[in-house]
Amino acid sequence: DAGVIQSPRHEVTEMGQEVTLRCKPISGHNSLFWYRQTMMRGLELLIYFNNNVPIDDSGMPEDRFSAKMPNASFSTLKIQPSEPRDSAVYFCASSAGGSNEQFFGPGTRLTVL
Amino acid sequence: SQKIEQNSEALNIQEGKTATLTCNYTNYSPAYLQWYRQDPGRGPVFLLLIRENEKEKRKERLKVTFDTTLKQSLFHITASQPADSATYLCAPPGANNLFFGTGTRLTVIP
Repeated sequence: DAGVIQSPRHEVTEMGQEVTLRCKPISGHNSLFWYRQTMMRGLELLIYFNNNVPIDDSGMPEDRFSAKMPNASFSTLKIQPSEPRDSAVYFCASSAGGSNEQFFGPGTRLTVL
Repeated sequence: SQKIEQNSEALNIQEGKTATLTCNYTNYSPAYLQWYRQDPGRGPVFLLLIRENEKEKRKERLKVTFDTTLKQSLFHITASQPADSATYLCAPPGANNLFFGTGTRLTVIP
């Protein structure tokens, strides 16, 4: 398996633009997580899906952020409109659930100018 | 509220020595705790999981302890090597997920 796949790896956009980040989890994993990492705040959970259903989105900063998981092999995180303070590295991770380890993707480095 | 603290942001150690990283948690009692390694520009990678009924877990040069009385986990790297330089994150579970500490950046000096 290729591991968790994220695209794009880097994204530079201007304030106000829509940004869509993509994730393909490891086949067979039923849990998917979106995280944001910054120097100031570390690794923060944004949203967690189990069997394609959002279970916990309490970490989503505000209504500008939305996430979907239309099927077991694909998820998106959308920011609209983007703001400079959204600049961070966004990670997608998947796991087999429970206490199983999480497998992280390579991340998307987002810069909003 | 639940809180995770890793004892220091950065730790420098001489090659060959044992590195010890600390993770303290407050206001809850996790059933297990995971440790991850993160290299610059990459996502975290799982290293070890220790459960509350396990005092110690080992994997090659890595050793993790879990003291539920002190509410603390210690992560040891013996015979450290420059290749061990990375950020190490502890992660006990929350309601639906893992809480990640802010990490300790370890530098092993040749």
